[in-house]
Amino acid sequence: GQQLNQSPQSMFIQEGEDVSMNCTSSSIFNTWLWYKQEPGEGPVLLIALYKAGELTSNGRLTAQFGITRKDSFLNISASIPSDVGIYFCAGQTTSGTYKYIFGTGTRLKVLA
Amino acid sequence: KAGVTQTPRYLIKTRGQQVTLSCSPISGHRSVSWYQQTPGQGLQFLFEYFSETQRNKGNFPGRFSGRQFSNSRSEMNVSTLELGDSALYLCASSLVGPGQETQYFGPGTRLLVL
Repeated sequence: GQQLNQSPQSMFIQEGEDVSMNCTSSSIFNTWLWYKQEPGEGPVLLIALYKAGELTSNGRLTAQFGITRKDSFLNISASIPSDVGIYFCAGQTTSGTYKYIFGTGTRLKVLA
Repeated sequence: KAGVTQTPRYLIKTRGQQVTLSCSPISGHRSVSWYQQTPGQGLQFLFEYFSETQRNKGNFPGRFSGRQFSNSRSEMNVSTLELGDSALYLCASSLVGPGQETQYFGPGTRLLVL
């Protein structure tokens, strides 16, 4: 199936560091969503973006909808141990048969 | 508001059997989507139901089917199970309309096929 290009695939960082990850696509999207998933659980929505150029924050998390509508990034500031998990981006397109296309995930590990 | 609920949470089946998974969306959400998640393939879209009709379909064989009831609850069925069907099956619900179609996921049903 279709997938977005999400990078990096994994990150090992020290507690207190900032983190940045991004997703890119060859398709234009109407909506970008960012999720966090912990082992054995479903993805939990972190941030939703609906307009090109939109910059939205949720606590220590900040995400932006790229102006080309083909990319998005997520930043986590001052990471803490509970930030550990897999972060997914998802893009909504009205073309084709897929409603949401998901990135391959960024696995984040925080070292205390 | 209660979140998306899925039952059962865990299931073990053998090859050739069939399985039915259930999803109850967030109250007021009329769109329900199903995904298969595996370590190798990531999150793959199965299908989406809205108002009891399948509105979108992913690239899965006909062994995978679903339906939605008038109360928006949805079921997914997999017939003639194969080993490769072992996965976490996730359900997500959303409102419908521009700017409202943010998907909220349930905890998933972990299916193991032996």
